[in-house]
Amino acid sequence: AQRVTQPEKLLSVFKGAPVELKCNYSYSGSPELFWYVQYSRQRLQLLLRHISRESIKGFTADLNKGETSFHLKKPFAQEEDSAMYYCATQGGSEKLVFGKGTKLTVNP
Amino acid sequence: ETGVTQSPTHLIKTRGQQVTLRCSSQSGHNTVSWYQQALGQGPQFIFQYYREEENGRGNFPPRFSGLQFPNYSSELNVNALELDDSALYLCASSLAGANSHEQFFGPGTRLTVL
Repeated sequence: AQRVTQPEKLLSVFKGAPVELKCNYSYSGSPELFWYVQYSRQRLQLLLRHISRESIKGFTADLNKGETSFHLKKPFAQEEDSAMYYCATQGGSEKLVFGKGTKLTVNP
Repeated sequence: ETGVTQSPTHLIKTRGQQVTLRCSSQSGHNTVSWYQQALGQGPQFIFQYYREEENGRGNFPPRFSGLQFPNYSSELNVNALELDDSALYLCASSLAGANSHEQFFGPGTRLTVL
């Protein structure tokens, strides 16, 4: 069964500091991996997906199949990055399996 | 382009009652997925509808049922409500077969069961 683990429920950093949100997954095949973000009072939205290998709002995420990880990174955090971040996997069917989420707070 | 909308925004029910939640998918999308998000948890997949047929189901009992209409809008029905059904219910639409596999979420319906 697919499973996504986000070990940090809360993460707090200062503006300008690097940030890394951890995500580990379990899936026997070749999953697709995503990071979704929910800003305060906004709906859940896609931040990035591993197949596109793009950088969105300065965030990147590399799929490490050996470690079954898909950590989200940004070299210099901004206050507007404060939000709930969810790692999700999608394999086989269209359903998304989400982790429990990490609340990122970027302090001034 | 119209985004995903859900109604109502929130509602309160008592144990044993039945509830219907509604979702209008984004223009051009033919697939609707429903998720339950309990407090402090990530969204959990309930089921998905494609061309008016159920196309996958998560680990939810049969009292959770759904419909998809020809215009691709959808309903989630929950019978015999239990206290643990209190959660945010999210609807997401997508286009089956699209390369992006991106799901677009609605704002959710907050259900409280007393």
